[in-house]
Order: sequence, then C-alpha cells, then structure tokens
Amino acid sequence: DAGVIQSPRHEVTEMGQEVTLRCKPISGHDYLFWYRQTMMRGLELLIYFNNNVPIDDSGMPEDRFSAKMPNASFSTLKIQPSEPRDSAVYFCASSLAGYGYTFGSGTRLTVV
Amino acid sequence: GQQLNQSPQSMFIQEGEDVSMNCTSSSIFNTWLWYKQDPGEGPVLLIALYKAGELTSNGRLTAQFGITRKDSFLNISASIPSDVGIYFCAGPPMNRDDKIIFGKGTRLHILP
Repeated sequence: DAGVIQSPRHEVTEMGQEVTLRCKPISGHDYLFWYRQTMMRGLELLIYFNNNVPIDDSGMPEDRFSAKMPNASFSTLKIQPSEPRDSAVYFCASSLAGYGYTFGSGTRLTVV
Repeated sequence: GQQLNQSPQSMFIQEGEDVSMNCTSSSIFNTWLWYKQDPGEGPVLLIALYKAGELTSNGRLTAQFGITRKDSFLNISASIPSDVGIYFCAGPPMNRDDKIIFGKGTRLHILP
C-alpha cells in the first residue's frame, strides 16, 4: 500500500488567495483526520470524518477553513482567503477504527 | 479541554546514552500512545498502552502506562543517530474515544 498520500508537498501562496490541500487515505480505512502542526501549538486536530461524514469540526479555526470528503478515497482542506498566520504543516491521517493512525508526509504551507 | 504535557521539550544527548521522557495530564487517559516524527515526515506510531501499569517494549524502546492513568513514560536505550526526531505522546480524551490529542513533543538531538 502506498500509504496516505498528500499533495502538494509544499505550497507557497500570497495572502488572500485560495489554497486547496488534498489527501488520499489508505484504502479501506474509515476514519480520516486533518491536523495542523506549528512550533507554537504543536499538532492540532482540525476536523475528522468517519465513513466520509464529518464528525467533529470543532478544531477548524474559523470560517475561512472548510473540508470535504466526497468519497472514501479523497478529501480536501480549503482555506479561503489565506492569511500569513495559516502558515504551517498540514497533515492528513487515516485509520481503521483504533488509534493506529497512519499519517501522510504533510503539506508545508507558506502564506506570504 | 484536556491537554498532554511533555517533558523535556528538547534533549541533547551523546550517541549510546539512554533517554527518558514523560507525558502527564490533569485528567485520566484510558489509552496512551507514543509516536515518533522524523524530519519532513508525519508521525508514526511506536507503542500503544491500554492498561494502567502496563509496560511494553518495541526493540530499544520501552513505554509504561502510569498507575494513576495520568502519565506515561518512554525510554530509549543505547541511542543511535536514527533516533533523532520528535516524540509525541497522545491519547483519546475522556468520553471521546474516536479521536486522539497530541502533546507538543520532545525533540531529541544526538551529538556525534
């Protein structure tokens, strides 16, 4: 299995632009998580899905952030409009119940 | 909300030395997890602990689930260069066993 695949690996964008991060979970996994990692706040859970349904989005910082999971093999995290404080590494992880999350390699977002 | 506090925040050790780090919480956890993050990658699960007092090993790594259920410890024996990275403790918050939260990590540096 190729693992959890995230794209792009790096994204540099200007403030105010829309940013879309993509994730392909491991086939058969029924949970998908989006995390954000910064030096100051560590790993923060933004939102997670179970069987493609959003379960808890309480970690989404504000309305500029949205996430979708249109099918079991694809999810997106969108930021519109982006701001410099959104700069971070965004991770997607998937699991088959349990806590053995498999993380992707992350997308490093820089908003200038 | 519940938080996991890790110490130390960072460590500088000589190759071959043993390492100890811990994680504490103000509230009870029923599961303790230890993850490692290599530079430029997502975290990977090292050890999972499910019972108070449990001691589990994975090669040179040993982790313990504290008796009070409010702490956990990770030890690495005879450190080698590939042990460099960030070590996170994690666990499911009370009454929310379908997601996990992470501590801010212990960053391990190994001096040649």
